[in-house]
Amino acid sequence: GAVVSQHPSWVICKSGTSVKIECRSLDFQATTMFWYRQFPKQSLMLMATSNEGSKATYEQGVEKDKFLINHASLTLSTLTVTSAHPEDSSFYICSASPGTADQPQHFGDGTRLSIL
Amino acid sequence: GENVEQHPSTLSVQEGDSAVIKCTYSDSASNYFPWYKQELGKRPQLIIDIRSNVGEKKDQRIAVTLNKTAKHFSLHITETQPEDSAVYFCAAPPIFEYSSASKIIFGSGTRLSIRP
Repeated sequence: GAVVSQHPSWVICKSGTSVKIECRSLDFQATTMFWYRQFPKQSLMLMATSNEGSKATYEQGVEKDKFLINHASLTLSTLTVTSAHPEDSSFYICSASPGTADQPQHFGDGTRLSIL
Repeated sequence: GENVEQHPSTLSVQEGDSAVIKCTYSDSASNYFPWYKQELGKRPQLIIDIRSNVGEKKDQRIAVTLNKTAKHFSLHITETQPEDSAVYFCAAPPIFEYSSASKIIFGSGTRLSIRP
């Protein structure tokens, strides 16, 4: 089945650090990937749609200069949280669609980001 | 844009009893309605889905019903077991086509607890 790999699984770093999270589709190509953020006991909130070879589309209220998305190939999208602060601490999950009839999106395992 | 509302936020049922979670959506063009189960710290897992041309779908102890006129859909879990304890999310992509990736808007989630 379609597998989405996300790394790292958890990150602890100091305030002001930039953190990069990778999302890879292992056995299919994905022209579109999605980035979600989930705070404790809350739902998954779509942050942006990552488009291969073009700029990401950000949801309302998400700072594009804060959350840099790069989708340089059909199997890799990266999310960089720039100058992270404690309020950026959250669970970040990516997803990708293989464009097949089984299900709309396959999710990565998520990255738990803790900013001290 | 699509707005998905989910109720209740928490649900506690006796083991063996049934659980029902309800969602409403706003975009009448929505045509696909998945349900996800998420255990603590893990990725959402698709458990069942329904397309707009079907009123009900069942998979063992899990069933989903859809009322397009009223724009609501429900998840039914019968003969609940301890392993059913988790957070459940309904979702609705604005428009879903297998040939392209569509973003998913999640409901707020229902924390289901099964009492022994």
